[in-house]
Amino acid sequence: KAGVTQTPRYLIKTRGQQVTLSCSPISGHRSVSWYQQTPGQGLQFLFEYFSETQRNKGNFPGRFSGRQFSNSRSEMNVSTLELGDSALYLCASSLVPGEGKGTEAFFGQGTRLTVV
Amino acid sequence: AQTVTQSQPEMSVQEAETVTLSCTYDTSESDYYLFWYKQPPSRQMILVIRQEAYKQQNATENRFSVNFQKAAKSFSLKISDSQLGDAAMYFCAYISNFGNEKLTFGTGTRLTIIP
Repeated sequence: KAGVTQTPRYLIKTRGQQVTLSCSPISGHRSVSWYQQTPGQGLQFLFEYFSETQRNKGNFPGRFSGRQFSNSRSEMNVSTLELGDSALYLCASSLVPGEGKGTEAFFGQGTRLTVV
Repeated sequence: AQTVTQSQPEMSVQEAETVTLSCTYDTSESDYYLFWYKQPPSRQMILVIRQEAYKQQNATENRFSVNFQKAAKSFSLKISDSQLGDAAMYFCAYISNFGNEKLTFGTGTRLTIIP
C-alpha cells in the first residue's frame, strides 16, 4: 500500500510569507504527527492530530498551526516565516495515537523548507 | 522532561564488521518504549527496532539487536555484518506509555560504512 505522502518535497519562501505543507497518511491511519528537523535542534515534535482533533502540541510559537481533515489528511501552516523556520518538516502516521501503543509510526520523506 | 542522549555524532565501520551505537535516556517513568530509527539520504525515517521497557529480553531484528539496560537507562544498537546500505543517520527515540505521549529523539549518529 502507498506510504505517507508529503507535498511539496521542496519549498523556497521569503521571510514574512506563509506556507502550507500537506501530509497524506497511510490508508486507514488516523493519527498524524509533525516534526521539525534542523541541524542545530535535531528532531522536535510540533503537534499530533487524531480524528480531526489536536491531541498534543510541542513547544512552538503560535505561528505554527495545523489541522486534520475527515479523510485523515493533515496540513500544517507557518505564518510570518522567519529564517529560523528553514528545516525539514516530517510527517508520521500511525493507526492510533502514540507510537508506543504497539503500532509503528511511518514517516514521509519530508518537505524541505528554505526561508530566504 | 524526558531526554535522549546520543554521544557519538559520527561512527564508521568496515563492511561486514560489527558496530554499536550508544544511547542513554532520562525518565522517571517505568512504562515506555524505546526505538531506533534510521534516516538514509532519502530523508525518510525508517523504524529499525523497538523495545518495550517491561520486556527484559533484548529485541532483535535480523542483523540488528539492542542491549537494553533499564537500570542504567541505556539502549545501544548493535549492527552485525554491516552492509553499505546501513549507511545513514541513526536516531534513538523514547515515548512514554502514559498521557499524551510524543516521541523524543536523540541528536543522531551518522554511520559510515567503509567498503
